[in-house]
Amino acid sequence: DVKVTQSSRYLVKRTGEKVFLECVQDMDHENMFWYRQDPGLGLRLIYFSYDVKMKEKGDIPEGYSVSREKKERFSLILESASTNQTSMYLCASSHGTGNQPQHFGDGTRLSIL
Amino acid sequence: EDQVTQSPEALRLQEGESSSLNCSYTVSGLRGLFWYRQDPGKGPEFLFTLYSAGEEKEKERLKATLTKKESFLHITAPKPEDSATYLCAVQAKGNYQLIWGAGTKLIIKP
Repeated sequence: DVKVTQSSRYLVKRTGEKVFLECVQDMDHENMFWYRQDPGLGLRLIYFSYDVKMKEKGDIPEGYSVSREKKERFSLILESASTNQTSMYLCASSHGTGNQPQHFGDGTRLSIL
Repeated sequence: EDQVTQSPEALRLQEGESSSLNCSYTVSGLRGLFWYRQDPGKGPEFLFTLYSAGEEKEKERLKATLTKKESFLHITAPKPEDSATYLCAVQAKGNYQLIWGAGTKLIIKP
């Protein structure tokens, strides 16, 4: 089975802090994704990566950056956390360039105080 | 504009009462339609992929079907453990990204 592991289930940070969310997948997937999920707004794509060191902006990249130095690891960085970034963050991975399903981690619930 | 609409927003059923969830989509060339189940506080769990109109997939009490405009997730004789939010997403040709619906929250009462 595909396993996508997010480093923290719950995280509390202060406004202005630099925050790192880590995601690791064990299936040698080429593609990795970061979403945030908010009540009433559904899943929104922040960034994705289709190869090591490659990244593409999603629908809401402002205030975020990403890093993919190794194939199995995809990091989301909040450069200067703000209260409107309080959310559930979900990482996903998928295989290849075709229409393969994305597999998700269990999420990090991030609170910015 | 590519779009996915799920209905109803919420559905309450008695245990054993069969029903269907709807996912209507507008996309410029369908590459795939995906169904997921999401339990509270957890990430979405992949259920099915459908690629072309007329295709059907089954898993236990769930059956997914696809037409050129919509997909249905039929649930037969549901049990309380089927309670979850069910998400639908489509992928357009030439894109990595998925377009997500808002989900249907399914509650099965014993």
